[in-house]
Amino acid sequence: DVKVTQSSRYLVKRTGEKVFLECVQDMDHENMFWYRQDPGLGLRLIYFSYDVKMKEKGDIPEGYSVSREKKERFSLILESASTNQTSMYLCASSLAGPDEKLFFGSGTQLSVL
Amino acid sequence: ILNVEQSPQSLHVQEGDSTNFTCSFPSSNFYALHWYRWETAKSPEALFVMTLNGDEKKKGQISATLNTKEGYSYLYIKGSQPEDSATYLCAFYNFNKFYFGSGTKLNVKP
Repeated sequence: DVKVTQSSRYLVKRTGEKVFLECVQDMDHENMFWYRQDPGLGLRLIYFSYDVKMKEKGDIPEGYSVSREKKERFSLILESASTNQTSMYLCASSLAGPDEKLFFGSGTQLSVL
Repeated sequence: ILNVEQSPQSLHVQEGDSTNFTCSFPSSNFYALHWYRWETAKSPEALFVMTLNGDEKKKGQISATLNTKEGYSYLYIKGSQPEDSATYLCAFYNFNKFYFGSGTKLNVKP
Protein backbone atom coordinates (compact mmCIF):
# COMPACT_ATOMS: atom_id res chain seq x y z
CA ASP A 1 0.00 0.00 0.00
CA VAL A 2 1.10 3.54 -0.71
CA LYS A 3 2.02 5.41 2.38
CA VAL A 4 2.10 9.18 2.70
CA THR A 5 3.44 10.26 6.06
CA GLN A 6 3.16 13.72 7.55
CA SER A 7 5.57 14.48 10.35
CA SER A 8 3.11 15.83 12.91
CA ARG A 9 -0.58 15.31 13.58
CA TYR A 10 -0.93 18.41 15.76
CA LEU A 11 1.33 21.44 15.95
CA VAL A 12 1.10 24.64 17.98
CA LYS A 13 3.31 27.56 17.00
CA ARG A 14 3.59 31.23 17.85
CA THR A 15 3.09 34.14 15.47
CA GLY A 16 6.30 34.93 13.62
CA GLU A 17 7.87 31.50 14.01
CA LYS A 18 9.24 29.63 11.01
CA VAL A 19 7.34 26.39 10.61
CA PHE A 20 8.28 23.29 8.66
CA LEU A 21 5.72 20.67 7.67
CA GLU A 22 7.24 17.50 6.27
CA CYS A 23 5.68 14.94 3.95
CA VAL A 24 7.22 11.66 2.80
CA GLN A 25 5.81 9.16 0.30
CA ASP A 26 7.11 5.69 -0.38
CA MET A 27 5.80 4.90 -3.88
CA ASP A 28 8.12 6.84 -6.17
CA HIS A 29 5.35 9.26 -7.15
CA GLU A 30 6.31 12.16 -9.40
CA ASN A 31 3.65 14.54 -8.10
CA MET A 32 3.33 15.86 -4.59
CA PHE A 33 0.85 18.44 -3.33
CA TRP A 34 0.18 20.58 -0.29
CA TYR A 35 -3.42 21.55 0.49
CA ARG A 36 -5.08 23.34 3.34
CA GLN A 37 -8.57 22.57 4.55
CA ASP A 38 -10.74 25.23 6.13
CA PRO A 39 -14.41 24.82 7.09
CA GLY A 40 -16.72 25.51 4.15
CA LEU A 41 -13.87 26.12 1.72
CA GLY A 42 -12.82 22.64 0.64
CA LEU A 43 -9.24 21.69 -0.08
CA ARG A 44 -7.25 24.57 -1.51
CA LEU A 45 -3.95 23.97 -3.27
CA ILE A 46 -0.96 25.82 -1.85
CA TYR A 47 1.88 24.37 -3.95
CA PHE A 48 2.60 21.30 -5.94
CA SER A 49 5.72 19.66 -7.31
CA TYR A 50 6.00 17.45 -10.37
CA ASP A 51 9.66 16.50 -9.97
CA VAL A 52 12.66 17.02 -7.75
CA LYS A 53 13.42 20.75 -7.36
CA MET A 54 10.39 21.58 -9.54
CA LYS A 55 7.42 23.43 -8.05
CA GLU A 56 4.40 25.39 -9.11
CA LYS A 57 2.21 27.75 -7.15
CA GLY A 58 -1.30 26.70 -6.39
CA ASP A 59 -4.22 28.99 -5.62
CA ILE A 60 -3.04 30.31 -2.26
CA PRO A 61 0.80 30.36 -2.16
CA GLU A 62 1.18 33.65 -0.26
CA GLY A 63 3.06 33.22 2.99
CA TYR A 64 4.31 29.73 2.06
CA SER A 65 7.29 28.21 0.30
CA VAL A 66 8.19 24.62 -0.49
CA SER A 67 11.21 22.43 -0.94
CA ARG A 68 11.66 19.18 -2.80
CA GLU A 69 15.27 18.08 -2.69
CA LYS A 70 14.48 14.37 -2.89
CA LYS A 71 11.69 12.67 -4.80
CA GLU A 72 10.08 11.16 -1.74
CA ARG A 73 10.01 14.30 0.42
CA PHE A 74 8.05 17.52 0.00
CA SER A 75 8.30 20.19 2.67
CA LEU A 76 5.97 23.12 3.28
CA ILE A 77 7.53 26.14 4.96
CA LEU A 78 5.72 28.97 6.69
CA GLU A 79 8.38 31.67 6.72
CA SER A 80 6.70 33.72 9.45
CA ALA A 81 3.59 32.05 10.80
CA SER A 82 0.47 34.14 11.19
CA THR A 83 -2.84 33.40 12.90
CA ASN A 84 -4.64 33.18 9.55
CA GLN A 85 -2.48 30.17 8.72
CA THR A 86 -4.17 28.17 11.46
CA SER A 87 -5.63 25.30 9.46
CA MET A 88 -5.53 21.60 8.61
CA TYR A 89 -2.71 20.89 6.16
CA LEU A 90 -2.88 17.84 3.92
CA CYS A 91 -0.11 16.41 1.80
CA ALA A 92 -0.88 14.19 -1.20
CA SER A 93 1.08 12.36 -3.87
CA SER A 94 0.30 10.70 -7.17
CA LEU A 95 1.75 9.40 -10.36
CA ALA A 96 1.62 11.84 -13.26
CA GLY A 97 -1.63 12.05 -15.24
CA PRO A 98 -5.27 13.06 -14.81
CA ASP A 99 -6.45 9.50 -14.17
CA GLU A 100 -3.98 8.84 -11.36
CA LYS A 101 -5.60 9.07 -7.97
CA LEU A 102 -4.23 11.11 -5.10
CA PHE A 103 -2.93 9.42 -1.95
CA PHE A 104 -3.22 11.59 1.14
CA GLY A 105 -1.38 11.84 4.42
CA SER A 106 -3.31 11.98 7.67
CA GLY A 107 -3.02 15.75 7.94
CA THR A 108 -1.40 18.23 10.31
CA GLN A 109 -3.66 20.47 12.38
CA LEU A 110 -1.62 23.64 12.84
CA SER A 111 -2.57 26.25 15.38
CA VAL A 112 -0.76 29.60 15.29
CA LEU A 113 -1.22 31.59 18.49
CA ILE B 1 -9.15 29.54 -9.87
CA LEU B 2 -11.72 27.10 -11.27
CA ASN B 3 -15.11 26.81 -9.64
CA VAL B 4 -16.08 23.33 -8.46
CA GLU B 5 -19.31 23.21 -6.49
CA GLN B 6 -20.87 20.45 -4.47
CA SER B 7 -24.38 20.18 -3.12
CA PRO B 8 -25.80 19.75 -0.65
CA GLN B 9 -23.26 20.90 1.92
CA SER B 10 -24.55 18.35 4.43
CA LEU B 11 -27.07 15.55 4.55
CA HIS B 12 -28.63 13.66 7.44
CA VAL B 13 -30.34 10.38 6.52
CA GLN B 14 -31.58 7.26 8.27
CA GLU B 15 -29.92 3.89 7.84
CA GLY B 16 -31.31 2.24 4.73
CA ASP B 17 -32.09 5.50 2.91
CA SER B 18 -30.66 6.05 -0.54
CA THR B 19 -29.07 9.37 -1.25
CA ASN B 20 -27.23 11.30 -3.91
CA PHE B 21 -24.96 14.32 -4.18
CA THR B 22 -23.93 16.59 -7.03
CA CYS B 23 -20.59 17.94 -8.20
CA SER B 24 -20.57 20.75 -10.78
CA PHE B 25 -17.44 21.70 -12.70
CA PRO B 26 -16.40 23.64 -15.83
CA SER B 27 -17.57 21.87 -18.98
CA SER B 28 -14.59 22.94 -21.09
CA ASN B 29 -11.13 21.33 -21.17
CA PHE B 30 -12.24 18.22 -19.32
CA TYR B 31 -9.64 15.60 -18.44
CA ALA B 32 -10.82 13.86 -15.28
CA LEU B 33 -13.13 14.07 -12.30
CA HIS B 34 -12.26 12.27 -9.06
CA TRP B 35 -14.43 11.36 -6.07
CA TYR B 36 -12.88 10.97 -2.63
CA ARG B 37 -14.29 9.85 0.68
CA TRP B 38 -12.99 11.43 3.88
CA GLU B 39 -13.89 9.81 7.17
CA THR B 40 -13.29 11.67 10.41
CA ALA B 41 -9.73 11.22 11.75
CA LYS B 42 -8.65 9.44 8.57
CA SER B 43 -7.11 10.46 5.25
CA PRO B 44 -9.23 11.08 2.15
CA GLU B 45 -9.37 7.96 -0.04
CA ALA B 46 -10.17 7.71 -3.73
CA LEU B 47 -13.54 6.27 -4.65
CA PHE B 48 -13.68 6.82 -8.38
CA VAL B 49 -11.66 8.33 -11.20
CA MET B 50 -13.85 9.28 -14.14
CA THR B 51 -12.53 10.36 -17.49
CA LEU B 52 -15.15 9.78 -20.20
CA ASN B 53 -18.50 11.43 -20.79
CA GLY B 54 -21.22 8.99 -19.79
CA ASP B 55 -18.89 7.07 -17.47
CA GLU B 56 -20.61 5.09 -14.76
CA LYS B 57 -18.59 3.60 -11.93
CA LYS B 58 -19.71 1.34 -9.09
CA LYS B 59 -18.13 0.18 -5.86
CA GLY B 60 -20.43 -1.86 -3.64
CA GLN B 61 -23.51 0.25 -2.96
CA ILE B 62 -21.86 3.47 -4.17
CA SER B 63 -22.00 4.54 -7.79
CA ALA B 64 -21.18 7.63 -9.81
CA THR B 65 -22.11 9.07 -13.17
CA LEU B 66 -20.43 11.71 -15.29
CA ASN B 67 -21.73 14.28 -17.78
CA THR B 68 -18.81 16.29 -19.13
CA LYS B 69 -20.88 18.23 -21.69
CA GLU B 70 -23.01 19.85 -19.01
CA GLY B 71 -20.36 19.74 -16.29
CA TYR B 72 -21.76 17.58 -13.53
CA SER B 73 -21.28 14.28 -11.75
CA TYR B 74 -23.63 12.49 -9.38
CA LEU B 75 -22.64 10.19 -6.55
CA TYR B 76 -25.31 7.73 -5.38
CA ILE B 77 -25.39 5.65 -2.23
CA LYS B 78 -28.01 2.92 -2.19
CA GLY B 79 -29.18 1.80 1.25
CA SER B 80 -26.89 4.03 3.36
CA GLN B 81 -25.19 2.48 6.38
CA PRO B 82 -23.72 4.30 9.42
CA GLU B 83 -20.24 3.41 8.14
CA ASP B 84 -20.99 5.50 5.02
CA SER B 85 -20.90 8.61 7.22
CA ALA B 86 -18.09 10.76 5.82
CA THR B 87 -17.38 13.85 3.75
CA TYR B 88 -17.48 13.16 0.03
CA LEU B 89 -15.23 15.34 -2.10
CA CYS B 90 -15.04 15.75 -5.85
CA ALA B 91 -11.91 17.02 -7.58
CA PHE B 92 -11.64 18.43 -11.11
CA TYR B 93 -8.33 17.93 -12.89
CA ASN B 94 -6.93 20.83 -14.90
CA PHE B 95 -3.31 21.19 -16.05
CA ASN B 96 -1.66 19.08 -13.38
CA LYS B 97 -3.79 20.53 -10.60
CA PHE B 98 -6.83 19.19 -8.81
CA TYR B 99 -9.56 21.65 -7.86
CA PHE B 100 -11.73 20.39 -5.02
CA GLY B 101 -15.30 21.18 -4.14
CA SER B 102 -16.12 22.00 -0.53
CA GLY B 103 -17.58 18.54 0.01
CA THR B 104 -20.86 16.98 1.09
CA LYS B 105 -20.91 15.81 4.69
CA LEU B 106 -23.11 12.73 5.07
CA ASN B 107 -24.38 11.56 8.44
CA VAL B 108 -26.23 8.23 8.48
CA LYS B 109 -28.18 7.58 11.67
CA PRO B 110 -28.71 3.99 12.81
